[in-house]
Amino acid sequence: DTGVSQNPRHKITKRGQNVTFRCDPISEHNRLYWYRQTLGQGPEFLTYFQNEAQLEKSRLLSDRFSAERPKGSFSTLEIQRTEQGDSAMYLCASSSLGQGKGQPQHFGDGTRLSIL
Amino acid sequence: GQNIDQPTEMTATEGAIVQINCTYQTSGFNGLFWYQQHAGEAPTFLSYNVLDGLEEKGRFSSFLSRSKGYSYLLLKELQMKDSASYLCAVTPSTGRRALTFGSGTRLQVQP
Repeated sequence: DTGVSQNPRHKITKRGQNVTFRCDPISEHNRLYWYRQTLGQGPEFLTYFQNEAQLEKSRLLSDRFSAERPKGSFSTLEIQRTEQGDSAMYLCASSSLGQGKGQPQHFGDGTRLSIL
Repeated sequence: GQNIDQPTEMTATEGAIVQINCTYQTSGFNGLFWYQQHAGEAPTFLSYNVLDGLEEKGRFSSFLSRSKGYSYLLLKELQMKDSASYLCAVTPSTGRRALTFGSGTRLQVQP
């Protein structure tokens, strides 16, 4: 079990540029989540996939944000025309489909985005 | 709306016991999670409660009262490595998978 893997770990870019992050979930997990976390706050939910279907989207996910999970394995999160307020840690998590014990979400180490 | 409250910071002494409280007001409830997060690292799962009562797991225990919208995380025999942020998170309703997190409680363990 290699855990949830996110790339890159850090991304620095100029305002207005597009960025894309990748998440590889734990291999047997069907569910994949994206969250955003700023300093001193808990993670905020962005979106959730079950296999390749995007089942939930937060109002935080503006038109500039898009997420995909084309084959039900890895996922990408793209932010277009980045703004200063997009600077945050972007966390990916995955969980299994089974019943019982709440199926906890297991988080990756995140991608830290800094907008200059 | 969703509202989850936790104390911002707590300090405790190595070897002692500390209780971190969490109160929630959410539109529906389908379970409460506690996560630990060291600075710059991923949140790691500690415990899950969906029914009232105490769940014990080694040095960590978590309690839930659904009627009061209240939970606590109890850490015993504190160690220096327990210095971290502790996040309370709620699954608001059946069928939804998104977690709603509190802002976290930063615990500092002193020698």
